[in-house]
Amino acid sequence: AQTVTQSQPEMSVQEAETVTLSCTYDTSESDYYLFWYKQPPSRQMILVIRQEAYKQQNATENRFSVNFQKAAKSFSLKISDSQLGDAAMYFCAYRRLRETSGSRLTFGEGTQLTVNP
Amino acid sequence: KAGVTQTPRYLIKTRGQQVTLSCSPISGHRSVSWYQQTPGQGLQFLFEYFSETQRNKGNFPGRFSGRQFSNSRSEMNVSTLELGDSALYLCASSLTRQGRGTGELFFGEGSRLTVL
Repeated sequence: AQTVTQSQPEMSVQEAETVTLSCTYDTSESDYYLFWYKQPPSRQMILVIRQEAYKQQNATENRFSVNFQKAAKSFSLKISDSQLGDAAMYFCAYRRLRETSGSRLTFGEGTQLTVNP
Repeated sequence: KAGVTQTPRYLIKTRGQQVTLSCSPISGHRSVSWYQQTPGQGLQFLFEYFSETQRNKGNFPGRFSGRQFSNSRSEMNVSTLELGDSALYLCASSLTRQGRGTGELFFGEGSRLTVL
């Protein structure tokens, strides 16, 4: 079974600075998706960034980028120029790509990010 | 384009009662999945429906059930409620259940269930 681990329950960063959230996963699959989702106090899960395992290039979305190390099964999220609105719970998630696996996500425990003004 | 809509947003029930939660996916999305979120267990997969058929099921007792209608709307039902069923129930929809695509799931705001 796949597992996702986020070893940092809480992180804090000063506004305008950079922070990196860690995520490791365990799988025997070679093709899969990885995601970072953000859950603000409003509760709605919002996709931050996605990475397809077959792509070697790290995904980037504006201030958000990932460091995807497939061999190490590591998928960290870097937030640059942190803003107050980035404060939220961040979840790392894994999805298999097999036909029979559907759209089931396996989530990590989450990292609560605080942004200090 | 409307997002994933879940109703009700909040509800309070007592032990032994049953509850039905509703989810309307994004238009055109045929896959709907449900997750339970609690402080202790985190986010856990309940089940997924695609074209009115349950395709995947998580490790939950039979008290948790669901269904999907021809318009892709989905409901989940929890019977004989227990205190431990208090949680945020999240629904997510996706365009396809297989293949490369974008792979992402779109979530609703959730239904907060409190069992007294």
